[in-house]
Amino acid sequence: DAGVIQSPRHEVTEMGQEVTLRCKPISGHNSLFWYRQTMMRGLELLIYFNNNVPIDDSGMPEDRFSAKMPNASFSTLKIQPSEPRDSAVYFCASSSRGAGGLSYNEQFFGPGTRLTVL
Amino acid sequence: GDSVTQMEGPVTLSEEAFLTINCTYTATGYPSLFWYVQYPGEGLQLLLKATKADDKGSNKGFEATYRKETTSFHLEKGSVQVSDSAVYFCALSNAGAGSYQLTFGKGTKLSVIP
Repeated sequence: DAGVIQSPRHEVTEMGQEVTLRCKPISGHNSLFWYRQTMMRGLELLIYFNNNVPIDDSGMPEDRFSAKMPNASFSTLKIQPSEPRDSAVYFCASSSRGAGGLSYNEQFFGPGTRLTVL
Repeated sequence: GDSVTQMEGPVTLSEEAFLTINCTYTATGYPSLFWYVQYPGEGLQLLLKATKADDKGSNKGFEATYRKETTSFHLEKGSVQVSDSAVYFCALSNAGAGSYQLTFGKGTKLSVIP
């Protein structure tokens, strides 16, 4: 299994530019999560999807952030326009709820995208 | 709402020392509890888990016991190695309360020196 795949691994952009982060969850997983990690705020959940449907986006910081999951194998997180305070590591994670009788939500994380906005 | 509190870091230990990282939680019902580890430059990996009271999770020499009476899930290892240097996150999942997300603590950075 390839695990959760994220691209790009590093992104450097200038303030005001659009940034798109991509995630491919583990095949068969039906829940997908986007997190942001910074030194100041730690690990924050931005949004999560269940069966491609956004369930809770209360962690999305503002309207500049949007996330989509057009199918079970792909999700994007878009920032438009980007600002220096968006600089962080963005993680995607996936889990399989209910598979094999599991009642807990073990999440598998991707390697992250390190975003730097100048 | 649910919350997780873990000890502030950083923690610096000599190789072969005993490790304890404290974690307490606040949650309704019967959450599942987790420890995740993040090695430098990588994403988080599940280290161990416990799904009900008095369960002991263990992996790679690390252990944690789900203590409902004290709402705690402290991480321990008898003899740490340099390779254990990482950030450790305590987390809970409260699927029984209808929440399908993980609630994380702020993380504790561990540095093990030879």
